[in-house]
Amino acid sequence: QVQLVQSGAEVEKPGASVKVSCKASGYTFTGYFLHWVRQAPGQGLEWMGWINPNSGDTNYAQKFEGRVTMTRDTSISTAYMELSSLRSDDTAVYYCAKGAVPPGISVLTAFDYWGQGALVTVSS
Amino acid sequence: EIVLTQSPGTLSLSPGERATLSCRASQSVSSRYLAWYQQKPGQAPRLLIYGASSRANGIPDKFSGSGSGTDFTLTISRLEPEDFAVYYCQQYASSQYTFGQGTKLEIK
Repeated sequence: QVQLVQSGAEVEKPGASVKVSCKASGYTFTGYFLHWVRQAPGQGLEWMGWINPNSGDTNYAQKFEGRVTMTRDTSISTAYMELSSLRSDDTAVYYCAKGAVPPGISVLTAFDYWGQGALVTVSS
Repeated sequence: EIVLTQSPGTLSLSPGERATLSCRASQSVSSRYLAWYQQKPGQAPRLLIYGASSRANGIPDKFSGSGSGTDFTLTISRLEPEDFAVYYCQQYASSQYTFGQGTKLEIK
């Protein structure tokens, strides 16, 4: 069965960087886009961008351009999201989510499986 | 960026009733690219509907989606206790995906 298992909670200081991992299993890792979505405490969902695990190509939300980097290691079916220059309003649960259809069919897709989320707390 | 506005913010209904949730887009969205998710406290979102009206795997037929252009609707018939949650719409019609702010469905 498809599983996305994320790394654990992190506490970081303002100005620092954080790197969250997302290990995929149960499907062909390189066959589907991997998206990142965050949710601040008590707030809604915010899309951050996607990575094509096959090519390494990325597409970031304009809000995060210059601060976010999405990478992957195909040898261990793991994707990473690094956010730099952290601020207190970056405190959120960060989710990875799998695109529902292969990019060969459509690069525009809903998300059919989600990781359990990783809480990142930014505090001095 | 396409802005999605969901209404109402909170919907209070009783089990057995029918829920109608709205999602309005700031510009026309192809119905192929509109999804609905359910999120319960402490859990990740779950895909309910994609392509505006297609149910995801394992989603019961009490959940239905409709709409086109700028107005989309999620309908939940015969509410059960486990249906009370927050619901989000999402558009993936452009390279910049966006979510609505959510509708909280609570027990009356």
